Amino acid sequence: DTGVSQDPRHKITKRGQNVTFRCDPISEHNRLYWYRQTLGQGPEFLTYFQNEAQLEKSRLLSDRFSAERPKGSFSTLEIQRTEQGDSAMYLCASSLAGRGNDYEQYFGPGTRLTVT
Amino acid sequence: GENVEQHPSTLSVQEGDSAVIKCTYSDSASNYFPWYKQELGKRPQLIIDIRSNVGEKKDQRIAVTLNKTAKHFSLHITETQPEDSAVYFCAAMTGGFKTIFGAGTRLFVKA
Repeated sequence: DTGVSQDPRHKITKRGQNVTFRCDPISEHNRLYWYRQTLGQGPEFLTYFQNEAQLEKSRLLSDRFSAERPKGSFSTLEIQRTEQGDSAMYLCASSLAGRGNDYEQYFGPGTRLTVT
Repeated sequence: GENVEQHPSTLSVQEGDSAVIKCTYSDSASNYFPWYKQELGKRPQLIIDIRSNVGEKKDQRIAVTLNKTAKHFSLHITETQPEDSAVYFCAAMTGGFKTIFGAGTRLFVKA
């Protein structure tokens, strides 16, 4: 499968625990995005990377959230001290700058987080 | 701040009829406007997009129009089919590649 992949697909955690999600973009895609989607809502922008540089981060994102893309390939999203309000689907998307439709984002299947 | 409003939130049409979904955006620097279709339990998939230097784009039964002056853009689906039933999201991308999504429109196509 050459699409965007995310791991794990489901995560159940207790309030206060830390969780980390991984996203593997389409090979050679240099832009990578993280979104959060709650039931009945559109994806909410969290942050995006161009290669390894984190270029923008939502003002709505608390300090408990951090994302990395150390080698410009896969990315991780960590949530510290999880709260019940963090329960959502976390989506990753990637795009390729500089070729064809370089704005088009391809989404992964998401990681569904449930905080109990 | 940046905002994208989408309406209606729910749309029910008879098979074969047309469906129109409308969005407005707030950031005048927005330059790319994609539309995504999301079926239950699946990832969003791009169905059509338009850039700010184009007023209209069509792909078979789907068309998108953009009015930059009014900051409006719309999705038009003609000859709707039951398999068009899904949630549709509009979005606007700012010059910095941040993408803001609308809240979605749940489209029901009745056979």
